[in-house]
Amino acid sequence: DAGVTQSPTHLIKTRGQHVTLRCSPISGHKSVSWYQQVLGQGPQFIFQYYEKEERGRGNFPDRFSARQFPNYSSELNVNALLLGDSALYLCASSLLIQASGANVLTFGAGSRLTVL
Amino acid sequence: KQEVTQIPAALSVPEGENLVLNCSFTDSAIYNLQWFRQDPGKGLTSLLLIQSSQREQTSGRLNASLDKSSGRSTLYIAASQPGDSATYLCAVQTGTYKYIFGTGTRLKVLA
Repeated sequence: DAGVTQSPTHLIKTRGQHVTLRCSPISGHKSVSWYQQVLGQGPQFIFQYYEKEERGRGNFPDRFSARQFPNYSSELNVNALLLGDSALYLCASSLLIQASGANVLTFGAGSRLTVL
Repeated sequence: KQEVTQIPAALSVPEGENLVLNCSFTDSAIYNLQWFRQDPGKGLTSLLLIQSSQREQTSGRLNASLDKSSGRSTLYIAASQPGDSATYLCAVQTGTYKYIFGTGTRLKVLA
């Protein structure tokens, strides 16, 4: 069974450009989360989608947006790229353990974005 | 505001040593705590999940404990091997879907 797949794995953009990152969750997982990891730091929460609806948003500017499709795959879009957007962007799909509310994350390998 | 701290930031040990990685969090209202491993430039691999009602979890040479009241978790690695070299991250689930991560402990096991 395939894990969480992300594309592209690496990309280089220039300031002001736009980028779209894609994520396919594990089969059967309806929840997708996006995290940004700057070098040397822990991942920071950006968005969480469940059943195609945004359920959570982190402290990121409106230049960041996302959506989830009927097949539960997801896109993260970043407009007007800044140098500081250079990071590893991680997608996680999850299976909610209903009784406890625990949300077990499984991460993809990430998309490394470099902004020049 | 939940904050997660990991100590030490980096650790270098000889092969075969038992070691403990520490994670502390400021708000005890968590759903669960997960420990992850991250190899350089790679994604995160889940190691252990401890639900809020549990005290510890074990998988092979790894044992993780959780003390919610004191806001602490430890990851114990027995008989460390060079292949254990990686960054270890702890994360707490706050709210239904959001995780807060620590900055990680970079572990190097010397052969």
